[in-house]
Amino acid sequence: DADVTQTPRNRITKTGKRIMLECSQTKGHDRMYWYRQDPGLGLRLIYYSFDVKDINKGEISDGYSVSRQAQAKFSLSLESAIPNQTALYFCATSQGALFGYTFGSGTRLTVV
Amino acid sequence: EDQVTQSPEALRLQEGESSSLNCSYTVSGLRGLFWYRQDPGKGPEFLFTLYSAGEEKEKERLKATLTKKESFLHITAPKPEDSATYLCAVQARNAGNMLTFGGGTRLMVKP
Repeated sequence: DADVTQTPRNRITKTGKRIMLECSQTKGHDRMYWYRQDPGLGLRLIYYSFDVKDINKGEISDGYSVSRQAQAKFSLSLESAIPNQTALYFCATSQGALFGYTFGSGTRLTVV
Repeated sequence: EDQVTQSPEALRLQEGESSSLNCSYTVSGLRGLFWYRQDPGKGPEFLFTLYSAGEEKEKERLKATLTKKESFLHITAPKPEDSATYLCAVQARNAGNMLTFGGGTRLMVKP
């Protein structure tokens, strides 16, 4: 099994729908992150969590929310999806500052 | 605001043709600079962390170097399996564990 598992791998949804992307990890790391990747824009941070009780907004949090259900689970929700949220979404974990991230394989989301 | 710019956006090499990828950065106090490799359809894979100017790290055909304004990823005698997108990211001292990523360089190595 992968260290960081994201579901679903691909999703097509309609404008205005609520959608949840899920992430689970077996690394035992406290720190978890959600990034989106767009061509030419690189990876941008949406939300991050340093433990179950700690949730923080990243660079582009508008239109998104998150839930840290357990140390191993971190979900990203789009409350009302819009087409410019079409992107590749990555969940990542880390052991601490200056440790490299471990990324999941990503969720390709298309909003039509 | 922290910024990371990678060049070139795309690079085509023949197998065995050495070259370098550039990562220029501006950051309010660098804590670390990271290199990742990303294959199509997959998440980025961690390669190196560099902490201070003058530092170098190597892994197989890859060597990363760091100055006060930029980092280079040198690829020596590349093979087709080195084809991937290479991402650079910086972590500022006041940014907790967060990384600011560049747009990446897509490397294609032809046999």
